[in-house]
Amino acid sequence: QVQLQESGPGLVKPSETLSLTCTVSGASISSYFWTWIRQPAGKGLEWIGRIYISGTTNYNPSLKSRVTMSGDTSKNQVSLKLSSVTAADTALYYCARENTTSRPLDVWGQGTTVTVSS
Amino acid sequence: DIQMTQSPSSLSASLGDRVTITCRASQSISTFLNWYQQKPGKAPKLLIYAASSLQSGVPSRISGSGSGTDFTLTISSLQPEDFATYYCQQSYSTPRTFGQGTKVEIK
Repeated sequence: QVQLQESGPGLVKPSETLSLTCTVSGASISSYFWTWIRQPAGKGLEWIGRIYISGTTNYNPSLKSRVTMSGDTSKNQVSLKLSSVTAADTALYYCARENTTSRPLDVWGQGTTVTVSS
Repeated sequence: DIQMTQSPSSLSASLGDRVTITCRASQSISTFLNWYQQKPGKAPKLLIYAASSLQSGVPSRISGSGSGTDFTLTISSLQPEDFATYYCQQSYSTPRTFGQGTKVEIK
């Protein structure tokens, strides 16, 4: 059974860098695209980007200048960094697996809340 | 970017009702369309992928249809556990995009 667990600081100061980790169990991170999605409180879902560990990344153009995704195969983890954060980056952040068949997000973590505030 | 538009944004329905939610893409996405259900405080759950394929474990009263730009999610007989928010998402191209969501409430 594939499970994803997001972790990271719950509070980040404005202008600093948000850093989150998604720990994957039950599947190798080398075999799928891993996606980050966020959801501000009471609002809809925003696709941040995805990474395939062999070297492919795709980012949302609206965030591209501030986003970096990476992976650590030794720990079976993928990471998200979002720089120069503002209050608008306050949200619940999810990681999810993108399945290769028709590319749906078939496994999700439970999400981690990040608040940007001084 | 491909824009996904869902309608309605919310609806009220009774137990046993047939419910239909529509999703329209701003350009053709073939059948690269997925549907998710989200309950309060929970992560989204995949219901339908490739427009009409039922994810394992999802009850058969839930179905999806469509291709090109117009898609439909149907719940044939609404059950208590179906009251939630539903999102469509295109996986045709990046950036992936979601509809704004449809909240299904109890009448």
